[in-house]
Formats: sequence, C-alpha cells, structure tokens
Amino acid sequence: SQQGEEDPQALSIQEGENATMNCSYKTSINNLQWYRQNSGRGLVHLILIRSNEREKHSGRLRVTLDTSKKSSSLLITASRAADTASYFCATDASQAGTALIFGKGTTLSVSS
Amino acid sequence: DAGVIQSPRHEVTEMGQEVTLRCKPISGHDYLFWYRQTMMRGLELLIYFNNNVPIDDSGMPEDRFSAKMPNASFSTLKIQPSEPRDSAVYFCASSLTRPYGGYTFGSGTRLTVV
Repeated sequence: SQQGEEDPQALSIQEGENATMNCSYKTSINNLQWYRQNSGRGLVHLILIRSNEREKHSGRLRVTLDTSKKSSSLLITASRAADTASYFCATDASQAGTALIFGKGTTLSVSS
Repeated sequence: DAGVIQSPRHEVTEMGQEVTLRCKPISGHDYLFWYRQTMMRGLELLIYFNNNVPIDDSGMPEDRFSAKMPNASFSTLKIQPSEPRDSAVYFCASSLTRPYGGYTFGSGTRLTVV
C-alpha cells in the first residue's frame, strides 16, 4: 500500500521558475526522503528530513516537514531543463522492521 | 564504487518460463531491497534483507516469486513460472544504515513477459 501521496501528479514550468511538490502520508515516521528518477533510470536520493526537523536545504532544494499535518513539500528553485524528472517522496515509518514506502510521484517537466 | 549493479537490463521471456534477476549491492551496505515499479501501482516493496537474512517478504506477490541472498555481494529474484502481469521494472537498492540512510538504487531490470 502507498504511504506517501504526491501532489500534483504532473507539473509543467518554464526554466527559471520554482517548482513545488507536496507529499502527504498516513502514519508516524522516523524520517521522510525525496528521490528523483530520470526516464529509464533508477531512483536517486536527494534529501532526507528527520521527524524532529521542520526544514532542510540542499543547493536549490528546500524541503519542509509538518508532522502535525503529515505532509512535506519539496521546492526546487530556479529550475533547469535538467530538473525534468519524476520526484518521489518516501517515508520511513516509525514501526520497527519496515522499509521505505514510496508514493506514486510527481512528474516535472521544465521547458527552456 | 560502481554503485548497485543489476542484470540483465532488459529481459523478454515467454509466459511460463523461469526468470532470474540479479543484483550486486554496494560493498559494505548491510541492507538490500527489491522493488517493483509499474504505472498502475507505482513502486512496491517486494522483500528486503539485512545482513543476508530476509526480514520482510510480505510484498512478494505469490509463491511464484522467490528471493535469495547467499552472500553480502549478491542477491537474486526469481519468478517461476512467469506471467504477463509480472511485466514491470524491477529495482534493487542497498543501504548502509537504516532507518536514517538513503537508498542507492540500481538501474533496474525491465521485464516483459509475452
């Protein structure tokens, strides 16, 4: 079953604009992670935010986490054509013995 | 490090045939995961291992699927007999620390069962 659900399913923007993707989840978590997948490739880990953190930055990426609302957002600033990919949130549930559960992803298209 | 290595990259097989997918995790990683990705169901966890021991195989669809990890550097996922509904991209991933580490994914095996 899916733990995280991304919104929107698809997003199209112009180069230089910011892209915001949202993720909602259902159960208590240890951490939440974001991954990128280019067409035909495996997933690449982007950033991890722990349950006691509210915001984290990595380069042009900014992730927020609201555990009271069970939601997270990924912001990509000043987007580039190379950012075109699918983005997935993954939750590491608090329950022991569980692996990451992935949402269905947001497909981002950045045009030049 | 060459990353997580999966083989083959593509597999086309006839219904009823046995299929074996292979994975070499990153050296030193003690967790290994098998996921399946389809358009309809997204990424589904099939099974994962810790120190070569299967921990959770509740995602394995049915008895036709089996996975082994005979040593720290090799794992297989076998489907016997294969069916058209098994067509998907199968990913292997490994992780050094859990639960706080990110996963490193292989490039996947695209399986088509005709």
